[in-house]
Amino acid sequence: SQQGEEDPQALSIQEGENATMNCSYKTSINNLQWYRQNSGRGLVHLILIRSNEREKHSGRLRVTLDTSKKSSSLLITASRAADTASYFCATDFNSKLTFGKGITLSVRP
Amino acid sequence: GAVVSQHPSRVICKSGTSVKIECRSLDFQATTMFWYRQFPKQSLMLMATSNEGSKATYEQGVEKDKFLINHASLTLSTLTVTSAHPEDSSFYICSAETGMRDGYTFGSGTRLTVV
Repeated sequence: SQQGEEDPQALSIQEGENATMNCSYKTSINNLQWYRQNSGRGLVHLILIRSNEREKHSGRLRVTLDTSKKSSSLLITASRAADTASYFCATDFNSKLTFGKGITLSVRP
Repeated sequence: GAVVSQHPSRVICKSGTSVKIECRSLDFQATTMFWYRQFPKQSLMLMATSNEGSKATYEQGVEKDKFLINHASLTLSTLTVTSAHPEDSSFYICSAETGMRDGYTFGSGTRLTVV
C-alpha cells in the first residue's frame, strides 16, 4: 500500500534558489530514501537516511528525518535547471520499498 | 557502481500477445530483484519480488499467471506480460538490491504500449 506522501506535489523555482520537499509516512521504517526520475526514465538513487539518523548531507542535498513525526525533508541547494525532475521518497522496511506519489520540481533558468 | 540494464526500453505489441522484459545486473550478483509498475504521473507500485532460484512473491492484486517472473540466474530476471491487453500499457521498472549500504539500483524502465 502507498504510504509515503510528499508535499508539495509540484514546485517551481528559479535557478539558484533552494528547493525543499517534504515526505510523510505512516508505518515503521529501517531507512528512508529519496530518488529522482527524469521524464520517462528509471529512478536514480539520491540519498538514504537510516532510522537512527537525523540529518545527512551529500553534495547539494540535505535530508532530514524525524521518526517521531514520521516525516522527512529533502533540500536541494543552489538549484540548477538540470535538477528539473520528479522526486520520490521511499520507505524501506524489511527490504521492501514503498514509494510516495512524487513531487514535480521545475527549475526555471 | 552497480548497474542494472533493462530491455527493451520501449515495446508496442498487439492485444493477446506476450511481451518479455529483461532486467540484468551487469557488475554484481542480484539474488533479489523487484518489479514495479508506474502509471503516468503516478508513483511506483511494487508488483512482485523476484528471488533467484525460487518462485516470485507477488503483491496483493497482481495476477501471477498474467505477469510471469523468472529469476533463473544471479544476474537476470525477466517479466513476461502474457496475453497483453490495452490496460496493461504502462511503464515497468525493475530494481535490485546491490548489497551495498545505499539504496537500490533501478533499470531505465520499459514503456509498454498494447494496441
